Amino acid sequence: DSGVTQTPKHLITATGQRVTLRCSPRSGDLSVYWYQQSLDQGLQFLIQYYNGEERAKGNILERFSAQQFPDLHSELNLSSLELGDSALYFCASSEQGAGTEAFFGQGTRLTVV
Amino acid sequence: GEDVEQSLFLSVREGDSSVINCTYTDSSSTYLYWYKQEPGAGLQLLTYIFSNMDMKQDQRLTVLLNKKDKHLSLRIADTQTGDSAIYFCAERRGNTPLVFGKGTRLSVIA
Repeated sequence: DSGVTQTPKHLITATGQRVTLRCSPRSGDLSVYWYQQSLDQGLQFLIQYYNGEERAKGNILERFSAQQFPDLHSELNLSSLELGDSALYFCASSEQGAGTEAFFGQGTRLTVV
Repeated sequence: GEDVEQSLFLSVREGDSSVINCTYTDSSSTYLYWYKQEPGAGLQLLTYIFSNMDMKQDQRLTVLLNKKDKHLSLRIADTQTGDSAIYFCAERRGNTPLVFGKGTRLSVIA
């Protein structure tokens, strides 16, 4: 158990809908990262938050957004969903902005039908 | 190139050693990581090596780093069926989030 908790584990939704994925980092970790894992693209970095502020942005679509709350949990919002958004979404956390170790949650499997 | 590269598949017999190779991109990368992903699970951090090291050993795992060639390898001694998984190499470039390879699927034949 990495200490990073993601909910829900599975999500099935229709095209055009909006979903929210939730992540609770390890206790004491200030940094949260979101990654998307799909079969053809591998693990793609989406966005990073550090202590409530956006720190780095990767290949995140405009339809997607995220935030980190004062209690350090984070949410990833995916809107106007398309079939191609079906993937595993991982959250990871680390102590600092660029900590030596990043610990991953179990992921949320999103299926868009 | 821009990508962290790994071969996609590796098959070994139980009891043999496995060597998973990775080529990374940035000679100034500070940390290099190996993660393991079992079916239906998240990524488990196996080990990491700081860029000023050549080798790191942790029980059955040995990491070798060749900075000149930007080559990283993970050796698993006495490979077991429970080692069957996808292994990801990742690099940290400066102060940025981890950049991952596409993963090597290790199959262990009993």
